[in-house]
Amino acid sequence: AQSVAQPEDQVNVAEGNPLTVKCTYSVSGNPYLFWYVQYPNRGLQFLLKYITGDNLVKGSYGFEAEFNKSQTSFHLKKPSALVSDSALYFCAVRVWTNAGKSTFGDGTTLTVKP
Amino acid sequence: DTGVSQDPRHKITKRGQNVTFRCDPISEHNRLYWYRQTLGQGPEFLTYFQNEAQLEKSRLLSDRFSAERPKGSFSTLEIQRTEQGDSAMYLCASSLRAQAEGTGELFFGEGSRLTVL
Repeated sequence: AQSVAQPEDQVNVAEGNPLTVKCTYSVSGNPYLFWYVQYPNRGLQFLLKYITGDNLVKGSYGFEAEFNKSQTSFHLKKPSALVSDSALYFCAVRVWTNAGKSTFGDGTTLTVKP
Repeated sequence: DTGVSQDPRHKITKRGQNVTFRCDPISEHNRLYWYRQTLGQGPEFLTYFQNEAQLEKSRLLSDRFSAERPKGSFSTLEIQRTEQGDSAMYLCASSLRAQAEGTGELFFGEGSRLTVL
């Protein structure tokens, strides 16, 4: 069975500081990893994904994430947070043998304070 | 490209009634997914279609739930004899079938919120 853990329900950072939102996963086989963001009263929006290759992937709005196979992690990062980054972030995993099913974490609420 | 649209956005019903939700995916997307999300939880997979074929159903999907995508375009999710535990946000997403299975990102609608009294 595949699973995703987001160990922090809430992350608070000051504007201009770096941010990290943590994600760990468990799958059988090679994972495909995704980050989505949900703003209030909006649908989930895709941010970035890791499929293969370079462990550091870059995505929308200046976000990036680092895949670490030994630690089974895929943490989301941004060098300098903006107040507008405040939202709910979800990590998700898929495997090619079960390609239709994404398993999501329970989300992390990011609050960036001015 | 108008994105994924879902209707209705909100539905309040009494226990025991039937409800139906509709999803219109992005027009060129051949895969369509249904997820359920409750407060404080991430989306839970319910089922997905490739064109009109339903390829997988979650064990979460009891016999009271049925989903269709008759012409490979829009989809409906019907819940019969609703129970209070069915109260949730029902999310629809679509994607292109990627060259490598499982690698395509999902495009979500804004969801249909169901409240069962």
